[in-house]
Amino acid sequence: NAGVMQNPRHLVRRRGQEARLRCSPMKGHSHVYWYRQLPEEGLKFMVYLQKENIIDESGMPKERFSAEFPKEGPSILRIQQVVRGDSAAYFCASSQAGTNNFPGGYTFGSGTRLTVV
Amino acid sequence: GESVGLHLPTLSVQEGDNSIINCAYSNSASDYFIWYKQESGKGPQFIIDIRSNMDKRQGQRVTVLLNKTVKHLSLQIAATQPGDSAVYFCAENNENRDDKIIFGKGTRLHILP
Repeated sequence: NAGVMQNPRHLVRRRGQEARLRCSPMKGHSHVYWYRQLPEEGLKFMVYLQKENIIDESGMPKERFSAEFPKEGPSILRIQQVVRGDSAAYFCASSQAGTNNFPGGYTFGSGTRLTVV
Repeated sequence: GESVGLHLPTLSVQEGDNSIINCAYSNSASDYFIWYKQESGKGPQFIIDIRSNMDKRQGQRVTVLLNKTVKHLSLQIAATQPGDSAVYFCAENNENRDDKIIFGKGTRLHILP
């Protein structure tokens, strides 16, 4: 069981470029969650997806950010036209079912650290 | 805004002593609480959880206490070890929030030799 896999671990982008962050959930998990963490801050919820569906995107900025979780392949968090304020650690988590049905919360990946220069 | 917060941002504890990390929450509808540990450069790691129908739960060297009257949660770590140095987050969820877990800001725990 490889756990939640995120790549790349580190990503450097120039202002105006696009950033693509990938997340492969644990085997058997169909729920994916993305969080953003600024230095010395807690994790801020961004989006919750199930296969081919966005369930809750209330934490996503209205512009430039999008997320998908296709039927096949990893979940992708996409940031277009990155700005310096997008620099952060982005964590993906997965779960087998909804929170009400599982113990232990989510399983988190090791994150992608995005630096915008 | 966030419904979960912590009282102290940094806590220093002598190795071998017990440590207590506190957390306050404001949403009385919260019914599930989790403590996570995050080491430098890593993702959060589950430590222990508790549902609102309980007031205490014990794990290996850790105990979580829940006081719903004052909306307060604490994590007790017994006989702290160097490996306990990390940032600890409390997090909460309620059934009406579509499985979204909300994190507090975190407490950094320093273990002194």
